[in-house]
Amino acid sequence: AQTVTQSQPEMSVQEAETVTLSCTYDTSESDYYLFWYKQPPSRQMILVIRQEAYKQQNATENRFSVNFQKAAKSFSLKISDSQLGDAAMYFCAYRAYSGAGSYQLTFGKGTKLSVIP
Amino acid sequence: EAQVTQNPRYLITVTGKKLTVTCSQNMNHEYMSWYRQDPGLGLRQIYYSMNVEVTDKGDVPEGYKVSRKEKRNFPLILESPSPNQTSLYFCASSPNHSSYNSPLHFGNGTRLTVT
Repeated sequence: AQTVTQSQPEMSVQEAETVTLSCTYDTSESDYYLFWYKQPPSRQMILVIRQEAYKQQNATENRFSVNFQKAAKSFSLKISDSQLGDAAMYFCAYRAYSGAGSYQLTFGKGTKLSVIP
Repeated sequence: EAQVTQNPRYLITVTGKKLTVTCSQNMNHEYMSWYRQDPGLGLRQIYYSMNVEVTDKGDVPEGYKVSRKEKRNFPLILESPSPNQTSLYFCASSPNHSSYNSPLHFGNGTRLTVT
């Protein structure tokens, strides 16, 4: 079974600074998808960024980017120019490309990010 | 507006009293799913549905039932709730289960407390 590990339960960053949230996963699949979701206090689950495993290029969405290291099974999220609105719980998630693992997202336990003004 | 609608947003009930959490999506999505979120555990899948009348268990299905009689609706039923089902519940949908270009759309969550 796939597992997703977020080793930092809580992190903080100064406003306008850069922070990196770590995520590692375990899978025997070669094709899969990885996601970062943001959950602000409103409880909404918001997709931040996604990556296909077969793509070498790291995904980028405005101030959010990932460092995808397939061999190391690592998928970290970098937030640049942190803003107060970035304060939230962040979840890393995995989904297999096919088979039983494609029917669900496997989530990490989350990292709570605080942004200090 | 494209959305997944869950009701109620908050629910407090007592042990053993049957309840239903409704979920409806207006995007004609085939795939729907229920997750529960607990502190320190992240989100875990309860049940999912590939299409009308097709449902299957996720990782934590015990104590829950679902049905998919219409494409847009996917209610979560707790026949006899227990305190260990106190949790935050999310319904989610996507056009199909496997497309990269169709990530999950989540509802706003239902906070359930069972006393």
